[in-house]
Amino acid sequence: QSVLTQPPSVSAAPGQKVTISCSGSSSNIGNNYVSWYQQFPGTAPKLLIYENNKRPSGLPDRFSGSKSGTSATLGITGLQPGDEADYYCGTWDSSLGAGVVFGGGTKLTVL
Amino acid sequence: EVQLVESGGGLVHPGGSVRLSCAASGFTFSSYGMNWVRQAPGKGLEWVAYISSGSSVVHYAASVKGRFTISRDNAKNSLNLQMNILRGEDTAIYYCARESSTAMADYWGQGTLVAVSS
Repeated sequence: QSVLTQPPSVSAAPGQKVTISCSGSSSNIGNNYVSWYQQFPGTAPKLLIYENNKRPSGLPDRFSGSKSGTSATLGITGLQPGDEADYYCGTWDSSLGAGVVFGGGTKLTVL
Repeated sequence: EVQLVESGGGLVHPGGSVRLSCAASGFTFSSYGMNWVRQAPGKGLEWVAYISSGSSVVHYAASVKGRFTISRDNAKNSLNLQMNILRGEDTAIYYCARESSTAMADYWGQGTLVAVSS
């Protein structure tokens, strides 16, 4: 059971928009920056969003992040078949000994 | 270019030990905290351990505390994870990841597989 809660899967057609939610608590999302990661099968995760809503240089603006209270959301517009991957949210947790926490991951299927 | 390259994984018997290493390049290693994150087959990401830039602060996940030890050698740009008393549930790909002030893991290595089985 992951500390952060994500939907196991989402799907949408090419060109459409999809959102992935990440729910936590005041000890993690509520008081820390949220990051999002994209992972293709057999490869390492890659940073997609940092500081809740910032994109690394070179990442298309089709990807966006937001945070409100103890929840965060990843948005992807103009879906492409190449976006099909697993997506994880992550942040620090300030409760005793918690360290870093991740969501359970969301499998995005582009129909 | 930031590069993180893990090594040391393999097949280990239950109760055995293994030492993972992560070679860092392309950045000032001594200025960054580092994390180990693992991923069991078909499962999600699980944070394992953290070490601060100067090794003064270390944190462990409850599942590995007392069995795993994280360390670093800033002179050699190297991060290590000593894993003892290994169990089947420790089977996973182990990633080292750089931590910055803005993201708990902004760069990741390619991972090394540790398989615990008799």
